[in-house]
Amino acid sequence: DAGVTQSPTHLIKTRGQHVTLRCSPISGHKSVSWYQQVLGQGPQFIFQYYEKEERGRGNFPDRFSARQFPNYSSELNVNALLLGDSALYLCASSLYPGSYNEQFFGPGTRLTVL
Amino acid sequence: DQQVKQNSPSLSVQEGRISILNCDYTNSMFDYFLWYKKYPAEGPTFLISISSIKDKNEDGRFTVFLNKSAKHLSLHIVPSQPGDSAVYFCAARVMYNNNDMRFGAGTRLTVKP
Repeated sequence: DAGVTQSPTHLIKTRGQHVTLRCSPISGHKSVSWYQQVLGQGPQFIFQYYEKEERGRGNFPDRFSARQFPNYSSELNVNALLLGDSALYLCASSLYPGSYNEQFFGPGTRLTVL
Repeated sequence: DQQVKQNSPSLSVQEGRISILNCDYTNSMFDYFLWYKKYPAEGPTFLISISSIKDKNEDGRFTVFLNKSAKHLSLHIVPSQPGDSAVYFCAARVMYNNNDMRFGAGTRLTVKP
């Protein structure tokens, strides 16, 4: 069985550009969460989606947005990129929100903003 | 506002000995604590958890201890194996909020053969 997959694995952008990151959850999982992990820090919660609806949002500016599709895959969009957006972006899926002991992470997308 | 802290960025232990990873938190509103393990180029993997109503949870070689009065959490690995070498993250869930989980910065454990 495939785990959580994310694409692309690496991405280089310049300041001011826009980026879209993609996540495919484990089959049967309906909840997807996004995290940002800056170098030297732990993951920080960005969004949680369940059944295509936003269930939670972390302390991130409106430049960050996300959505979940009918097949439960998800996109994270970041507009007007800043140097500080350089990070590893992790996607995690679970059956339900809050099922953290059954939450599986993808390998992440490494975003570098120049 | 770092509410979950792992003050040791790294830890080195000999194979067969005990590894103790520590985590402190500042928010009394956490009701569930988790440990994740992360290998390079992979996402974090859930390892073990503990509810705030308990003080110990054990799963094989892994035991998590919770001291609520000290707001301190620790993960014990006995015996340590070279395959345990990874970055370990402590995480805490905000009470009554399923989508608000705070992570520590991680501790890199190296188990030497």
